[in-house]
Amino acid sequence: DIQMTQSPSSLSASVGDRVTITCRTSQSISTYLNWYQQKPGKAPKLLIYAASTLQSGVPSRFSGSGSGTTFTLTISTLQPEDFASYYCQQSYTSVTFGGGTKVDIK
Amino acid sequence: QVQLQESGPGLVKPSETLSLTCTVSGGSVRSGGYYWSWIRQPPGKGLEWIGYIYYTGTTGYNPSLKSRVTISVETSKNHFSLKLSSVTAADTAVYYCARDALGGSGTYTDYWGQGTLVTVSS
Repeated sequence: DIQMTQSPSSLSASVGDRVTITCRTSQSISTYLNWYQQKPGKAPKLLIYAASTLQSGVPSRFSGSGSGTTFTLTISTLQPEDFASYYCQQSYTSVTFGGGTKVDIK
Repeated sequence: QVQLQESGPGLVKPSETLSLTCTVSGGSVRSGGYYWSWIRQPPGKGLEWIGYIYYTGTTGYNPSLKSRVTISVETSKNHFSLKLSSVTAADTAVYYCARDALGGSGTYTDYWGQGTLVTVSS
């Protein structure tokens, strides 16, 4: 099984901050990596697929990068609606989610 | 716009079988290029992939749940279903059905149901 390590597990930030979340996998997965945002009581929402492709309708302040075993999700300028939990997901072998990162208000 | 809706009992007794159905509207489970998935989330915890099915009946399951999971598809009713046997309290979770699109770099989940809470308790 591919293990996924997401860091940090939580962070506190202010509106306007640049936020970076990292996802590492136990073996190379090329760019078979997706990112999701989840708000309390809601289903997750796809942000980024194939490591760096922005899903239609997602603001351009979200970006993804990486390949192999290390990936990052960056929010360039944090907005009030971005306070949420974020999950990475690999689909190289079966499907696995990272443990999640909760972004809250500093 | 594809919409997915989970349905089934919200309370299941320990050792029994959890059964959920996901009805798809605005799209067809017979469409090529899409897998139909189940994902769960225990209260206050992260997401766990359960498995998926293609309209041909091809399935993929989480290895940790494989011995207890069956996912099936009913193309005539445009729905797919989940059965999880021998449940325990650890299976208490919000269960989501979803659509996975097949892209150049694997699959990604582009549509989700609203989720349904299933509690395992006597």
